[in-house]
Amino acid sequence: EVQLVESGGGLVQPGRSMKLSCAASGFTFNNYDMAWVCQAPKKGLEWVATISYDGSSTYYRDSVKGRFTISRDNAKSTLYLQMDSLRSEDTATYYCARVAAISLFDYWGQGVMVTVSS
Amino acid sequence: DVQMTQSPSNLAASPGESVSINCKASKSISKYLAWYQQKPGKANKLLIYSGSTLQSGTPSRFSGSGSGTDFTLTIRNLEPEDFGLYYCQQHNEYPWTFGGGTKLELK
Repeated sequence: EVQLVESGGGLVQPGRSMKLSCAASGFTFNNYDMAWVCQAPKKGLEWVATISYDGSSTYYRDSVKGRFTISRDNAKSTLYLQMDSLRSEDTATYYCARVAAISLFDYWGQGVMVTVSS
Repeated sequence: DVQMTQSPSNLAASPGESVSINCKASKSISKYLAWYQQKPGKANKLLIYSGSTLQSGTPSRFSGSGSGTDFTLTIRNLEPEDFGLYYCQQHNEYPWTFGGGTKLELK
């Protein structure tokens, strides 16, 4: 059974950093691209970043470029999102998702809440 | 970026009825449109991709249609577990973008 479990969220002040993790199990992690998708309170879903199966390629939405870094450790089957220079508008639930072959998200985690506030 | 516009935002229906949710892209995305279901306390679920292909495990009462810029998700003979939020997503080009969501509620 595919499982994706996020951790590392919480309350953080504007301008500070936070690192999210996503532990994957139930599939061969290093065969798949992975992604982060966020959802602000009472809002819709927004793609944040994607990393290729081997970590060689990364893609970001414009609003997080230069502030967020997606990475992975295939030996630990874990995906990460390092979030720096956080802003109030980054407040959201962040989901880890497996990327299927044609750029869609076939499995999702339950999400972790990040609140950016002073 | 490709803008995805979903309609309606809210929809009320009764079990046994059929409903349709629309998704319009700001430019052609060929057939590359996916539908997801979101329910409280559960992981988001991929229902349909490439416009009309059912993901493994998706009940046959769900169907998708459309290409280019206009797409539709139809749910026939609604079951109680079908009530929740539905999102479309274009998977044709970066940045991948979602519609604003449709809340399907029990009438």
